[in-house]
Amino acid sequence: QSVLTQPPSVSGAPGQRVTISCTGSTSNIGAGYDVHWYQQLPGTAPKLLIHGNIHRPSGVPDRFSGSKSGTSASLAIAGLQAEDEADYYCQSYDNSLSGSNWVFGGGTKLTVL
Amino acid sequence: EVQLVESGGGLVKPGGSLRLSCAASGFTFGSFSMNWVRQAPGKGPEWVSSISSSSTYKYYADSVKGRFTISRDNAKNTLYLQMNSLRIEDTAVYYCASRDSGRNWFDPWGQGTPVTVSS
Repeated sequence: QSVLTQPPSVSGAPGQRVTISCTGSTSNIGAGYDVHWYQQLPGTAPKLLIHGNIHRPSGVPDRFSGSKSGTSASLAIAGLQAEDEADYYCQSYDNSLSGSNWVFGGGTKLTVL
Repeated sequence: EVQLVESGGGLVKPGGSLRLSCAASGFTFGSFSMNWVRQAPGKGPEWVSSISSSSTYKYYADSVKGRFTISRDNAKNTLYLQMNSLRIEDTAVYYCASRDSGRNWFDPWGQGTPVTVSS
């Protein structure tokens, strides 16, 4: 079971807007650690999509946006396109005694209908 | 172009060993913390280990502590992961990923090397 909780799947029609949630706890997101998002296309490595909760690396379309509040964060994708169909993962840092430092969500599969 | 290329994965029996390598190019390797992240089939990524730019600090996930050893050779721009006492649950694609010191995100990632532990 992942430290960060994401819905297993979301879907939307082309042009629509979808959001993916990422729920943590007081030892990670709630402790003030930033949330980062990755996109993983089939058969490829994860690629950084959002860092520092809201910042898009160069080359990432502004259709992708991130937010954070309390112990949760969200990734929003506006104007859905077929090429957005992928798995999305959130990631943060955890300072609990569990031994894990950098933690990930279990992933959300986005289906473009 | 920034590039990370992993190698060394394969099929190994439980209790066996493997040494993974990650060759870096296109950036100042010695200035960045480096990491191994693995992804079991159908699962999310799992952070495995991290090493600081000058090898002073090394961190491991509890699941691999005492069995895996991370190291780097800045002269050769290469990161390593020595994996001993391998278990079936270590089966995954292993990615190396760069992390700017003081930052908590991973970018970029290599293409990954698969490790299968099976009898």
